[in-house]
Amino acid sequence: QQPVQSPQAVILREGEDAVINCSSSKALYSVHWYRQKHGEAPVFLMILLKGGEQKGHDKISASFNEKKQQSSLYLTASQLSYSGTYFCGTGAGNMLTFGGGTRLMVKP
Amino acid sequence: DAGVIQSPRHEVTEMGQEVTLRCKPISGHNSLFWYRQTMMRGLELLIYFNNNVPIDDSGMPEDRFSAKMPNASFSTLKIQPSEPRDSAVYFCASSPVGGNRGYTFGSGTRLTVV
Repeated sequence: QQPVQSPQAVILREGEDAVINCSSSKALYSVHWYRQKHGEAPVFLMILLKGGEQKGHDKISASFNEKKQQSSLYLTASQLSYSGTYFCGTGAGNMLTFGGGTRLMVKP
Repeated sequence: DAGVIQSPRHEVTEMGQEVTLRCKPISGHNSLFWYRQTMMRGLELLIYFNNNVPIDDSGMPEDRFSAKMPNASFSTLKIQPSEPRDSAVYFCASSPVGGNRGYTFGSGTRLTVV
């Protein structure tokens, strides 16, 4: 079952914040987050392995609410380089199903 | 580390022809995945290998699709015969067993079937 991401698209000005959500109808054991720039391959950002876990990567962080079966990705003080499509991936074990993606555009 | 290497980068073929996509995973990664990406369907998992053994091929759309992993450093995805609806970007990804360090994707093969 594919996780559901929201919003589908967001436009920001440099320095603004954004939140991307990922929800699953199934129990979550882990959540991956990836960023894909146009014409390139998805690049791994981070993985969250247990409920309540929060991780950070520069000014990008994520939380994992196991009970609510959802994860959120937080982009703080966005930079032009943050532009791209963000995917969450969920699944049991090593096999991931990816959400439909959230297209993020950061403008100067 | 050269990353995951896919070839060719682009492939244009006529309907009915056989197409073979190739992938070399990162050395030491025991899991290998083939994904297909289209605007309509997003990233779809086609097949997953663990230690060269196919674990789940439920995503392979039809019998026209087949995948092999004869050794730890090489995998192929074959489409025979190809159809226009197979046009997509095909990604290969690898990860250590357990996947706790995420996937590393190859650059992809953009397949166009005319």
